[in-house]
Amino acid sequence: AQKVTQAQTEISVVEKEDVTLDCVYETRDTTYYLFWYKQPPSGELVFLIRRNSFDEQNEISGRYSWNFQKSTSSFNFTITASQVVDSAVYFCALSEARTGANNLFFGTGTRLTVIP
Amino acid sequence: DAGVTQSPTHLIKTRGQQVTLRCSPISGHKSVSWYQQVLGQGPQFIFQYYEKEERGRGNFPDRFSARQFPNYSSELNVNALLLGDSALYLCASRFDSVSGANVLTFGAGSRLTVL
Repeated sequence: AQKVTQAQTEISVVEKEDVTLDCVYETRDTTYYLFWYKQPPSGELVFLIRRNSFDEQNEISGRYSWNFQKSTSSFNFTITASQVVDSAVYFCALSEARTGANNLFFGTGTRLTVIP
Repeated sequence: DAGVTQSPTHLIKTRGQQVTLRCSPISGHKSVSWYQQVLGQGPQFIFQYYEKEERGRGNFPDRFSARQFPNYSSELNVNALLLGDSALYLCASRFDSVSGANVLTFGAGSRLTVL
């Protein structure tokens, strides 16, 4: 069965600190996608990144970076030099080829608070 | 371009009533999905529609139904409301039903409170 675990419920950091959000997933599919979404107080889920199961290349995009490791089934997300506008709930999600690209399994989210 | 739009943004119902939520996808997007997000939890998949046909259904009772119209907009209906149906209902659209290359774009949701 598929499962996404975000063990960190809430994290608080001081502005300009780096912060890493952890995500561990379970799936029996060999073809799957992993996502990070951000949910600000307005409620809209904002897409941040997608990785497929065949692409373990890690990436840096501005202040964001991602670490995908199939060996440990982890897909962690790091914000460097955090800003107050980064305060939001962050969700890790998984979609499998078997269940379809529109059926995302979400973790329970990590609430990030950046303190000025 | 407008994003995914949902209406109403907030509504209050009482147990046993019925509710209809509406969603307009991004122009050109033919696939619409519905998610339920209970407070403090991640969104949970309810339905997916593509070209007016149901293409996927999550683990929700038959009280939940949906449809998609020729203009690709969609409605989610929930009958015989229960207190546990109180949640943020999110609609998401995508250009292609099958390809995994496109991502879901979410609306801001309809917050339903059942008293």
